[in-house]
Order: sequence, then structure tokens, then C-alpha cells
Amino acid sequence: EPEVTQTPSHQVTQMGQEVILRCVPISNHLYFYWYRQILGQKVEFLVSFYNNEISEKSEIFDDQFSVERPDGSNFTLKIRSTKLEDSAMYFCASIPQGSSYTFGSGTRLTVV
Amino acid sequence: AQSVTQLGSHVSVSEGALVLLRCNYSSSVPPYLFWYVQYPNQGLQLLLKYTSAATLVKGINGFEAEFKKSETSFHLTKPSAHMSDAAEYFCAVSADSGGSNYKLTFGKGTLLTVNP
Repeated sequence: EPEVTQTPSHQVTQMGQEVILRCVPISNHLYFYWYRQILGQKVEFLVSFYNNEISEKSEIFDDQFSVERPDGSNFTLKIRSTKLEDSAMYFCASIPQGSSYTFGSGTRLTVV
Repeated sequence: AQSVTQLGSHVSVSEGALVLLRCNYSSSVPPYLFWYVQYPNQGLQLLLKYTSAATLVKGINGFEAEFKKSETSFHLTKPSAHMSDAAEYFCAVSADSGGSNYKLTFGKGTLLTVNP
């Protein structure tokens, strides 16, 4: 069964550093998403991406965050200057038209 | 606006016992409701979804959930727990179900442990 692949599984970074979280969605999917889960809290929507542009973003997704699909296969989430409160599990997901999400296994980001 | 409340962050049952995980939702539009399961070190896997057809929804691994509009609930049940059911379970709501682009609003999750 096709999978959404996320790398790395765990990343530790120093506060103020830039991080890029990588995702390889399923090849025929059209819509791409990032969600995050801070430890002990809810899984939260960050951003959706369709046709090479952001279609919706939450209030969490401020100027420190960006997404892109640089080569038509990878889908990346960049955090420009990480803060302690960015420590969370980040999930990538994709869907084809009119179907259910397929989630990746997540990247645990720890900011120290 | 939509929200989900999962009652009980941790539920513990004995193997063979009934599993009941509670979910209540709030939605200003007719909701679409989902249950996801997460096993350790894995992604979120869809168990079942309600999309305004039958109110009793059957999912994978013997789970089912019943949509009760009057109670704004979508509780997840399984008649007999198995050790392999131990995982974290998330209830989620959406205003759509994949017609095009849709986002999910999740609850905090319930960790299910199954005792031998």
C-alpha cells in the first residue's frame, strides 16, 4: 500500500536555527497538508497546499513557517528561526480528490 | 467553527472486555466525523468515518461508531478488546469529507491500554 514518507523521524535543533522537515506524498495525490501535535495537546492543522500554492493556513502558520514542493515529489515545511514552543510532532498528509487522508509517521522536532 | 472533546485521556481495559472511547463534537454545519488510530512510531491510520449516510459506521479491526446528533456524540466501540488494540485513538471532525480540500479538527486523543 502506498505510504507518505517523512524524514527525519526525529530532529533536534538549537533555538533560532532553521529546520526543514521533509515529506514524500503519494504520487497521484493532489492535496497536501501539515499538522502538528505538541506533547499532550491536540493535533492541529497548520497548512494545506494544492496546485503549487497554499490553499489555507491556520493562525499558527505565521511568517516563520513556509512550505514548498521543490521538485514535484517532495513537500517540505521550513521553520526559519525555531522557538522552544515549536517542539512538537509534525505530520504530513496527502489525499487524492474526494478521499481520505494518508498520514506520514511524523517527525518529532525538539528545540533546545 | 468546529471542535472535538475526547473524554478520558487514558482508558484501560482487560483483554476481551468492551472498549468504549468517547467523543463529543461541536459544529456549526453538518459534520463529517472520523476516528484515527496511531500505533507507536507510526502515522495516523483511519479507522472509520461518518459522512451522513448510515449513523452506525463499521470500521477496520472490529471497531464501530454511532453518530448521535441529539447528543453530539460519535463514540467508538469494540465488543472485545485485543492486545493489539493498544494504541492512541483520535476523534476528528471536518466540514467536508474530501470533496476537495478539507481540514480536520482533532481531539486530544485517548490512549488505550489492554491488560492481559
